[in-house]
Amino acid sequence: ETGVTQTPRHLVMGMTNKKSLKCEQHLGHNAMYWYKQSAKKPLELMFVYNFKEQTENNSVPSRFSPECPNSSHLFLHLHTLQPEDSALYLCASRNTGAEDTQYFGPGTRLTVL
Amino acid sequence: QQQVKQSPQSLIVQKGGISIINCAYENTAFDYFPWYQQFPGKGPALLIAIRPDVSEKKEGRFTISFNKSAKQFSLHIMDSQPGDSATYFCAASISSNTGKLIFGQGTTLQVKP
Repeated sequence: ETGVTQTPRHLVMGMTNKKSLKCEQHLGHNAMYWYKQSAKKPLELMFVYNFKEQTENNSVPSRFSPECPNSSHLFLHLHTLQPEDSALYLCASRNTGAEDTQYFGPGTRLTVL
Repeated sequence: QQQVKQSPQSLIVQKGGISIINCAYENTAFDYFPWYQQFPGKGPALLIAIRPDVSEKKEGRFTISFNKSAKQFSLHIMDSQPGDSATYFCAASISSNTGKLIFGQGTTLQVKP
């Protein structure tokens, strides 16, 4: 695997379900990001992790819970979501010491019924 | 202050024509301005980026023009090809910060054969 991978690619869940999104970066980067992409809206930053420490939470509801066990893996735990949370969730990574470029994964298309 | 405004929302160009997408920002602390290209089912990928110490950057058929005094920057795609049909996002960030990217709303480009 190369670059940034995300699993699953598609997820359908009910409002009472609990699920997790996984992101893995194979680039040796030290920072990882979660973004939400909704139709007709700009990409919204959700969380930033730098060297496994959360450095930014962009006023995200508590029904979204991030976890970063190491610099290569990032999870987004989901529980009691709302239909308006349906969106494409994108993970990105970056080498903060070398460049400003963020490398994105393909995203997880989430549908909340 | 944190917004990046992008226009137009959609653009149709004939093959061989020039595609122009514009962005404007307010925060003068921004010092990194990337453009991302996104194809359906894929995550955004860096296309080209510029810093405010130069007024223009060219990579192949893609050029960024940057006007620091007007707080505007634009993407020009010369000799547009059907394969360029995608959604384009401008963004801005402060390098010394967490790398948080503020994205524009996106422009859907269709290049007709």
